[in-house]
Amino acid sequence: GDSVTQMEGPVTLSEEAFLTINCTYTATGYPSLFWYVQYPGEGLQLLLKATKADDKGSNKGFEATYRKETTSFHLEKGSVQVSDSAVYFCALSEGGGADGLTFGKGTHLIIQP
Amino acid sequence: EPEVTQTPSHQVTQMGQEVILRCVPISNHLYFYWYRQILGQKVEFLVSFYNNEISEKSEIFDDQFSVERPDGSNFTLKIRSTKLEDSAMYFCASSENSGGPYNEQFFGPGTRLTVL
Repeated sequence: GDSVTQMEGPVTLSEEAFLTINCTYTATGYPSLFWYVQYPGEGLQLLLKATKADDKGSNKGFEATYRKETTSFHLEKGSVQVSDSAVYFCALSEGGGADGLTFGKGTHLIIQP
Repeated sequence: EPEVTQTPSHQVTQMGQEVILRCVPISNHLYFYWYRQILGQKVEFLVSFYNNEISEKSEIFDDQFSVERPDGSNFTLKIRSTKLEDSAMYFCASSENSGGPYNEQFFGPGTRLTVL
């Protein structure tokens, strides 16, 4: 079945550091890929998405590129802020409609001032 | 901005008791979902619901689980006889029918269920 693997946390960085959170996936078909973020006390929010190979999703300074050849969707940001502290989830979906998402375990990111 | 809401935020119950977790999806959305996250583990898909019936369910969603849309606004998850291993955070989500390759799912803040 489908699966998502992402780097274990917590990841602790200083403000303005460069961020990479690795994500790789296994899927039977051609999935859409997502990064969700969860701030303390809140629900999961879609951060960015990509629906086909070589697509780059971006939002709030975060980027991720759909790499079919390496089955990866790594999340990057050039200069993190304290407000980026949250849990980040990589996820995939094989189709639209009522398809459920397959999530990774989440990576807790801590940004220190 | 419209959002998915869930109640209660924390539910404590005794093993063997029935619990109902409640969700109010975004009003014009057509697809509804439940997920759970056991502490320290992945967020796992349980079930999706469309047009007043279950659309998909995972192997986790066995006979002790049921979902219902009892009126035009609520979407509930019932666990008939809770077990210790049902302790988890339960997330509700909803999406509209975008007609595209995927439907963005909007998540609620979750209900933490503790089974003693």
